Formats: sequence, structure tokens, C-alpha cells
Amino acid sequence: DAGVIQSPRHEVTEMGQEVTLRCKPISGHDYLFWYRQTMMRGLELLIYFNNNVPIDDSGMPEDRFSAKMPNASFSTLKIQPSEPRDSAVYFCASRSDRGNYGYTFGSGTRLTVV
Amino acid sequence: QKEVEQNSGPLSVPEGAIASLNCTYSDRGSQSFFWYRQYSGKSPELIMFIYSNGDKEDGRFTAQLNKASQYVSLLIRDSQPSDSATYLCAVKGTNSGYALNFGKGTSLLVTP
Repeated sequence: DAGVIQSPRHEVTEMGQEVTLRCKPISGHDYLFWYRQTMMRGLELLIYFNNNVPIDDSGMPEDRFSAKMPNASFSTLKIQPSEPRDSAVYFCASRSDRGNYGYTFGSGTRLTVV
Repeated sequence: QKEVEQNSGPLSVPEGAIASLNCTYSDRGSQSFFWYRQYSGKSPELIMFIYSNGDKEDGRFTAQLNKASQYVSLLIRDSQPSDSATYLCAVKGTNSGYALNFGKGTSLLVTP
């Protein structure tokens, strides 16, 4: 099991540019979550999917953020246009509908917007 | 008021001692509670979960839950320098669907 795979690991971009973060959940996991982590605010839920359907996107900061899950093995989080305040570590996590509710996190994408 | 509260620390304990990490939550109907460990620059890793009042032990780790007091704790016995990390408390609340609400974490430093 390769775990949750995120790419890229690091992204440095200029303000105003489009950024796309990618995630491959663990095979067989029904839920996929996108979180953002900063020192000030900790881990914040952005959006989560169940069986590829967005369930709760109330944490998405504004219309500049969008997320898709076109199939069970792939999800993207897009920021357009990016701003310096978007700088954070973005984590993708997945979990199965069986067993406990604990997540498995990916290694994260560290985004820096300059 | 944030839904899950933790002291940010750092909590410093000597090697071999018991480290006690605490967490309070605001949603009285919460049912599932988790502890994650996060090393600097790494992703959170699940180490314990607890659903029922009382204690749950796994190796050197013990999770304690008191729903009446809305309090969950993690004890680490025989602390090792390798336990130095940030410990995140996470709660599945009644209004969060299948999402977990995380505290900001407590930084633990185990000194040799």
C-alpha cells in the first residue's frame, strides 16, 4: 500500500498565478479530505468527498479555491488566482468507510506564494 | 471558542518520565476522539483512537476519555527523545459529518 500520494511536495509561485495540487487516495478508501495547516490556525478542513461527491465545502475560503474528484483515485485542489495568504501546507487525507474514523494523511504540499 | 482546545506547549519532560497531554472539546455530542503525532515537517500520523469513557492502552500510550467533562488526554509512559513531536487531538463532532476537527496541537520535548 503506497499510502496517500500528493504532488508536488513543494510549490513556489507568484501572486496571481494558478496553482493545482494533486492527491491520490488509498485504494478502496471512500472518503477524501483536503486540509490546510498554518501555524496560526492549525489544521483547517477545506472540503471533503464521499465516493467522489463533494459533501462539505464550507471550509473553502473563497471562490478562488476549487476542488474536484473526477474518479476514486484522483483529486485536485486549485487556487486561482493565488495570493500570499494562501501560503500553507496543504494535506490530503483518506479513510475507509469501515473500521475507525481515523484518516491516513499524505505527505503534504508546501505552498509558498510570493 | 475553537471546538477543540489544546495547550500549545512546549511541554518538556525528562526521558523515562510520563508525558500527559490534554484536550478539551466543545461539542457535547462528540463520539469519536483521536490522537495524531506530527513530527516537524511531516504529516500527522494516527496513534490512538477512543470512543468510550475510560482508558484505552496501546503499548506506552494510554488515551483517557471523560465525556461528562468533555476532556480527552494522552499519556505517554517511559517517554523517549523520539517521542518529541507535536500531538494533535481530533474530534468527530455531531455537526462535522465525517470530518474531524483538530486542535492546534501540543509540542512535546523529551530531554535526554
